Amino acid sequence: DAGVIQSPRHEVTEMGQEVTLRCKPISGHNSLFWYRQTMMRGLELLIYFNNNVPIDDSGMPEDRFSAKMPNASFSTLKIQPSEPRDSAVYFCASSWEDFEQYFGPGTRLTVT
Amino acid sequence: QQQVKQSPQSLIVQKGGIPIINCAYENTAFDYFPWYQQFPGKGPALLIAIRPDVSEKKEGRFTISFNKSAKQFSLHIMDSQPGDSATYFCAASSLNNAGNMLTFGGGTRLMVKP
Repeated sequence: DAGVIQSPRHEVTEMGQEVTLRCKPISGHNSLFWYRQTMMRGLELLIYFNNNVPIDDSGMPEDRFSAKMPNASFSTLKIQPSEPRDSAVYFCASSWEDFEQYFGPGTRLTVT
Repeated sequence: QQQVKQSPQSLIVQKGGIPIINCAYENTAFDYFPWYQQFPGKGPALLIAIRPDVSEKKEGRFTISFNKSAKQFSLHIMDSQPGDSATYFCAASSLNNAGNMLTFGGGTRLMVKP
């Protein structure tokens, strides 16, 4: 079975551009999480969806960040406009209810 | 209140040694404590997890020890191997609240020398 799929794997963009990261959770999972990983701040939870509904977005750093989950098999994390400090690895994870979270391979974002 | 503090930041042991990684938390509502293993270029993967109703859990060479009164938990890796070289993260969440929203420790980079 395929695990969590994220695209793109690498993204390099210029400051001010819009960036969209994509995630396909494991089929049958009903919870989806977006995390950000940096050397300085470690792994941070950005937003949590349950049954396609955003439950907690308190980790979203600011209004430049938005996330959507239009259906059970797809989610996006958008940064507009992007800034150099947004450079990080962004992970998507999914789970069935409160059971084990399975992480995707991540998207390495570089904003120049 | 949401912080999970992890130590040490890095650890080097010889093959066969027993690395120990420690974590401490403040939020008494936390009731689920997983450990994740991350290899370079990969996402974290669940290694082992514990609930506070037990003080120890073993899975293969990996053991979690949990001290509820001290609000501390630790990971022991028995008979460590070079293939265990990775970054390890402890985490905590409150499953009784809204979902399994994990708060991660800062990570420990483990190197096991042959």
